[in-house]
Amino acid sequence: EADIYQTPRYLVIGTGKKITLECSQTMGHDKMYWYQQDPGMELHLIHYSYGVNSTEKGDLSSESTVSRIRTEHFPLTLESARPSHTSQYLCASSELGTNYEQYFGPGTRLTVT
Amino acid sequence: QQPVQSPQAVILREGEDAVINCSSSKALYSVHWYRQKHGEAPVFLMILLKGGEQKGHDKISASFNEKKQQSSLYLTASQLSYSGTYFCGTDSGSARQLTFGSGTQLTVLP
Repeated sequence: EADIYQTPRYLVIGTGKKITLECSQTMGHDKMYWYQQDPGMELHLIHYSYGVNSTEKGDLSSESTVSRIRTEHFPLTLESARPSHTSQYLCASSELGTNYEQYFGPGTRLTVT
Repeated sequence: QQPVQSPQAVILREGEDAVINCSSSKALYSVHWYRQKHGEAPVFLMILLKGGEQKGHDKISASFNEKKQQSSLYLTASQLSYSGTYFCGTDSGSARQLTFGSGTQLTVLP
């Protein structure tokens, strides 16, 4: 069973608020990812990291930012939430390289009113 | 470039077989397959690497045709637990990240 955790699981917040979505893994994986997924739709990579102090933007442009100060922790921050940010956010981790499976967290379902 | 999955949706009876295809316009280095049940996180099924390798996992297997730049997922004797959305993720090597297809929704009925 994968040891990757996300909090909160559900969040309803008003427009303009700052939010941080937490993601932690206990597998010692160097690589971590954030995906955005609308219901029933594909996963879009918005951020990834190869390790501490490494962050990269993914294919889908996002107004969010990420940080990687510790190997196990990869939080995502939205400085000013908007209704267009309403979506599910999935965190994942893997060993380095693309030949390794990605372990996904349970996701955070964000609703911005 | 996002890989194309087909069909978009399929409904089966328990015990029937299904094939899900994943095609790319780019040369592929590897293909990943994941299954996501409603309201849950995607779960890894298998990875296929460049070289046309076929892999199996219980009654679920997959092939990777490098020349055609496509992979197929085979579900044999479907069980109710196979229901969910199947995603392929492709790595073209240069991108060094996975790009996921739009998914195939599989429903297995009793």
